[in-house]
Amino acid sequence: DSGVTQTPKHLITATGQRVTLRCSPRSGDLSVYWYQQSLDQGLQFLIQYYNGEERAKGNILERFSAQQFPDLHSELNLSSLELGDSALYFCASSVVGSYSPLHFGNGTRLTVT
Amino acid sequence: AQTVTQSQPEMSVQEAETVTLSCTYDTSESDYYLFWYKQPPSRQMILVIRQEAYKQQNATENRFSVNFQKAAKSFSLKISDSQLGDAAMYFCAYRPYNNNDMRFGAGTRLTVKP
Repeated sequence: DSGVTQTPKHLITATGQRVTLRCSPRSGDLSVYWYQQSLDQGLQFLIQYYNGEERAKGNILERFSAQQFPDLHSELNLSSLELGDSALYFCASSVVGSYSPLHFGNGTRLTVT
Repeated sequence: AQTVTQSQPEMSVQEAETVTLSCTYDTSESDYYLFWYKQPPSRQMILVIRQEAYKQQNATENRFSVNFQKAAKSFSLKISDSQLGDAAMYFCAYRPYNNNDMRFGAGTRLTVKP
């Protein structure tokens, strides 16, 4: 168990809809990261937050947004969903420091129909 | 931008034998960190091993070791005495010093034959 909690585990929704994915980091970790993994592909970095502030941005679509709250949990909002948004969305957390590994949650499987 | 390349989409190994997974990366940084993660069918992401670029000594973790060639920007993973439980996707990852962003390669699917 990595200590990172993601909810829900599965989400099925229709095109055009909006969903929110939630992540609780490991106790003590200030950084939260979001990654997207499409079927049988690698992990695409979306965005990183550190202690409530956006720290780095990757290939995140304008339809997607995220935030980190004072209690350090994070939410990823996906709107105007398209079929191609179907993927496994991972949240990861880490302590400060580049040698620190990312600890991943079990992911949220999003299916857009 | 830093990129991570895993040139072997799939590899297979006989149980108890040794296999090496390749990874190259592109960076202009001198200080950075490299990681290998394993993703079994459960889709969990599990840290296998990590390496600091300023350390010449290759990292080892039990049956897992790396061959880090900084000048060649190469970071291969060697799995010795392969076990059925090693079957998974393996991802190489790069993280610059002073930057928490971690970038992953496309992955290598490892099959272990009994």
